[in-house]
Amino acid sequence: QKEVEQNSGPLSVPEGAIASLNCTYSDRGSQSFFWYRQYSGKSPELIMSIYSNGDKEDGRFTAQLNKASQYVSLLIRDSQPSDSATYLCAVNPPFSGGYNKLIFGAGTRLAVHP
Amino acid sequence: NAGVTQTPKFRILKIGQSMTLQCTQDMNHNYMYWYRQDPGMGLKLIYYSVGAGITDKGEVPNGYNVSRSTTEDFPLRLELAAPSQTSVYFCASSYSSRSGDEQFFGPGTRLTVL
Repeated sequence: QKEVEQNSGPLSVPEGAIASLNCTYSDRGSQSFFWYRQYSGKSPELIMSIYSNGDKEDGRFTAQLNKASQYVSLLIRDSQPSDSATYLCAVNPPFSGGYNKLIFGAGTRLAVHP
Repeated sequence: NAGVTQTPKFRILKIGQSMTLQCTQDMNHNYMYWYRQDPGMGLKLIYYSVGAGITDKGEVPNGYNVSRSTTEDFPLRLELAAPSQTSVYFCASSYSSRSGDEQFFGPGTRLTVL
């Protein structure tokens, strides 16, 4: 069974701190990984994608991938109250027939307090 | 561009009623998807389409039907509504199916079945 696991939180961090969000997945052959941000009552929006082992940085966000450990994480530096949202990890599993049939985790709720 | 639009925003149905959730995109995307999101859960793929006239089942297709007569529109049909179909429904689209291609989400339809 394909699974993507996340700690539901809430993860509470002070403003200016680093928030670390984690995700594990069960399908070893998965090739592409995504982090979506979802504000309460809104639709998901893509903030990071990563395909290769290692780190990928975009502004205050860094995605980290370790395929051997089946683990992907998202670091948010200098956290701001506006970063308070639910962060969804999504994985494109193998044998999807070439289609982007994402498997989503349940999300981690992040709360950044002033 | 309006992106991905969905109607209605909210709907209450009685058990056994039918309805169609509308989804339209103006980005000339070939690939379209329907997801449902239950409270505190991640998104689950219901159906997807790779182009006009071509649709296929996702992870949770039971109780739903889709059609794709044009590139722009991808309606989702509920024939006999059940309380288990109470959820938020998101439509998404992407330009291609290449692994990693960003999916753009509509604002969602919040459906309650009583």
